Amino acid sequence: QKEVEQNSGPLSVPEGAIASLNCTYSDRGSQSFFWYRQYSGKSPELIMSIYSNGDKEDGRFTAQLNKASQYVSLLIRDSQPSDSATYLCAVNKRDGGSQGNLIFGKGTKLSVKP
Amino acid sequence: KAGVTQTPRYLIKTRGQQVTLSCSPISGHRSVSWYQQTPGQGLQFLFEYFSETQRNKGNFPGRFSGRQFSNSRSEMNVSTLELGDSAFYLCASSLAGQGYGNTIYFGEGSWLTVV
Repeated sequence: QKEVEQNSGPLSVPEGAIASLNCTYSDRGSQSFFWYRQYSGKSPELIMSIYSNGDKEDGRFTAQLNKASQYVSLLIRDSQPSDSATYLCAVNKRDGGSQGNLIFGKGTKLSVKP
Repeated sequence: KAGVTQTPRYLIKTRGQQVTLSCSPISGHRSVSWYQQTPGQGLQFLFEYFSETQRNKGNFPGRFSGRQFSNSRSEMNVSTLELGDSAFYLCASSLAGQGYGNTIYFGEGSWLTVV
């Protein structure tokens, strides 16, 4: 099982719809979860961080975390063509006594059609 | 507040050569991490430096090395370049690392092509 798994997509949604991006992880002890957005040819930029079970909302974005199911998702409401990008899920992996490091999924490519 | 600065942005090297990439973190950030991104493997962790010490290392050969200076600036070196080292190299900085509660911020990246 891969450490962080995402559906590679592409996920295509019409403008104004809700885009739902999913991510599962293998390390049950993970405590930090992030969503990054990466436009083609650019570096990843942070969208959301979530640490506790439940939902966290920021504007049009909602992150959802379910540690029991080892599942984290990102909802994008009122999707815009400018949201078209690859979305990377990142999970902190503990490594013995160290702080660990972030493990990234391979990303889901989202396409929002006008 | 300035972001993470990486230099050079683009470079082309020949097999067998070595390359050094530089990263200046966000002011006040003491942790610098390096990542390699390729279409096939995605974003892979290389190593993390904190207060001039390598604190964590990914699964890459010894040809990949790094260091951090007292001002938190970091360099990454790849020796004896191979074609497979062609990738997008990203530096990320954070206040204290990649542990709980810390967020990493990426630089613009360096595109390395090995021919």
